[in-house]
Amino acid sequence: GDSVTQMEGPVTLSEEAFLTINCTYTATGYPSLFWYVQYPGEGLQLLLKATKADDKGSNKGFEATYRKETTSFHLEKGSVQVSDSAVYFCALRTNDYKLSFGAGTTVTVRA
Amino acid sequence: DVKVTQSSRYLVKRTGEKVFLECVQDMDHENMFWYRQDPGLGLRLIYFSYDVKMKEKGDIPEGYSVSREKKERFSLILESASTNQTSMYLCASMVTDNQPQHFGDGTRLSIL
Repeated sequence: GDSVTQMEGPVTLSEEAFLTINCTYTATGYPSLFWYVQYPGEGLQLLLKATKADDKGSNKGFEATYRKETTSFHLEKGSVQVSDSAVYFCALRTNDYKLSFGAGTTVTVRA
Repeated sequence: DVKVTQSSRYLVKRTGEKVFLECVQDMDHENMFWYRQDPGLGLRLIYFSYDVKMKEKGDIPEGYSVSREKKERFSLILESASTNQTSMYLCASMVTDNQPQHFGDGTRLSIL
């Protein structure tokens, strides 16, 4: 079945550091890929998405490129801020309405 | 902006009680979902509904049921709560395929 594997956390960084969170997937068909973010005490918010191979999603300085050849959708940000501290979830959706989520990666950014 | 509202942020119940979690969305979305979130497991789908009175089981439906009598409201029911149902529960809604799901803030449920 469909599944998502993302790097385990927690990840702790200093402000202005470079962030990468790895995400790989297994799916039949052609999935759409998503990154969701969950700030402390809140629900999930869509951060970015890509619906086909080589698409790049971007938002709030974060980027991720849909790589079909490596079945990956790694999340990157060039210079993180304290306000980026959150839990990040990679997810995929194939031909129905269901999302399959990774386990989540907790990111803490220190001033 | 889409608003998905879950009725309680925190809830404490006892083993064996019947528990209702309510979710309301204000954007006339056809599709609504219930997930539970546990550390190290991400989000797992319990049930979803693609129309009024329609429902489908997700990956972990055991011990749960749902009700969707009106388009805007989707209820999750724990028929007889057990301690292993202590978790964070998240509701989401979505308009059509290829659009993102919008999430509520979650209900942290503790079963004692």
